[in-house]
Amino acid sequence: NAGVTQTPKFRVLKTGQSMTLLCAQDMNHEYMYWYRQDPGMGLRLIHYSVGEGTTAKGEVPDGYNVSRLKKQNFLLGLESAAPSQTSVYFCATREGGAYEQYFGPGTRLTVT
Amino acid sequence: GEDVEQSLFLSVREGDSSVINCTYTDSSSTYLYWYKQEPGAGLQLLTYIFSNMDMKQDQRLTVLLNKKDKHLSLRIADTQTGDSAIYFCAESPPLNYGGSQGNLIFGKGTKLSVKP
Repeated sequence: NAGVTQTPKFRVLKTGQSMTLLCAQDMNHEYMYWYRQDPGMGLRLIHYSVGEGTTAKGEVPDGYNVSRLKKQNFLLGLESAAPSQTSVYFCATREGGAYEQYFGPGTRLTVT
Repeated sequence: GEDVEQSLFLSVREGDSSVINCTYTDSSSTYLYWYKQEPGAGLQLLTYIFSNMDMKQDQRLTVLLNKKDKHLSLRIADTQTGDSAIYFCAESPPLNYGGSQGNLIFGKGTKLSVKP
């Protein structure tokens, strides 16, 4: 039972490159979230999903796209990376009807 | 709008008690949380409290909630060097309230330094 895993752990991109971050969970949770953490800023919600095949925008969605084709996976895409997207990205999951969220270990992304 | 405020730094001596404070603005929040983040690691849920409670104790951790003042605190008794980390306060508006889907609103975190 791995809980919430994120791939990759680290990545360096050049401006304009694209990449996809993968969040995988084995807890059968309905809700999944992508947050970004910047120094001194706490965590901010990028996008979220309330179930397979659904996605919605959070507080800071610009420059990102997401997909939830399978219940256990939530993908975060950067089509054209910018230095402002240098951050640590966290995925979280939540069971429907519950309030507790479980976080993955994070992906540290640097865009040069 | 929703906002969660915390002081940025706290320094204590090993063995002392630590008290980390947080204020929030959304009086409709259902749950309030404390997360711990060690350097280079993800967020670990320490404890949470339902909004109709005023205190919750879990081993060395005591959470106090003053709903009238929208003030939440986390007390760590007998603080150890292993408690050095960033502590995040977070609130959770009720599900489907104002579009909420259970996402958390985080404070900026309090960095706790424990000196031997």
